[in-house]
Amino acid sequence: EVQPVESGGGLVQPGGSLRLSCRGSSFTFSDHWMYWVRQAPGKGLVWVSRMNADGSYTAHADSVKGRFTISRDNARNALFLQMNSLRAEDTAVYYCGRDFYGGFDQWGQGILVTVSS
Amino acid sequence: DIVMTQTPLSSPVTLGQPASISCRSSQSLVASDGNIYLSWLQQRPGQPPRLLIYKISNRFSGVPDRFSGSGAGTDFTLNISRVEAEDVGLYYCMQATHFPYTFGQGTRLEI
Repeated sequence: EVQPVESGGGLVQPGGSLRLSCRGSSFTFSDHWMYWVRQAPGKGLVWVSRMNADGSYTAHADSVKGRFTISRDNARNALFLQMNSLRAEDTAVYYCGRDFYGGFDQWGQGILVTVSS
Repeated sequence: DIVMTQTPLSSPVTLGQPASISCRSSQSLVASDGNIYLSWLQQRPGQPPRLLIYKISNRFSGVPDRFSGSGAGTDFTLNISRVEAEDVGLYYCMQATHFPYTFGQGTRLEI
């Protein structure tokens, strides 16, 4: 299977915004819950956001609640993460992933987000 | 939040020998549907994580059978029957029973 591909990362100043995208071609997004997970440099994995298959339910970690918004476009097999009011502590590699019985499979290669002035 | 505590944090191993990683949760991981959503992930250097085990003991597709998972309640274990060179990396447990989902700190397996 071909892994999803994340895009949209980069360097942004504190307080700025970025929109991450995750696109997959080897499975039908609309059949699955999808997630975002991040990993700060040299640190462990942290769950960020999740969305159910039809997009009617979302949840975010407290650390990003009110600043990040997960969304999806099933017609385009795409998952998004709108990140506003970015902080230095949001600097991380962001991964999208697919739910598989409570585990995450189909991880993308990840996209680096750097928040710095 | 559920705290997932892994031990050891670093594990020197010998090729061909077994290895074991423990993961303890701060609360029971039994979900309302009776399942326990405890999984294990491997992260090789410079790579994204990879799902090894889901629901305590189910090996994901393509995962070698030298990897096995066990446990119940709050105590879980990942076993590698015979370590191979390609097993070097970080291993994480993760619970998806309670919101927010949480990961262990990671255990570094090194030869």
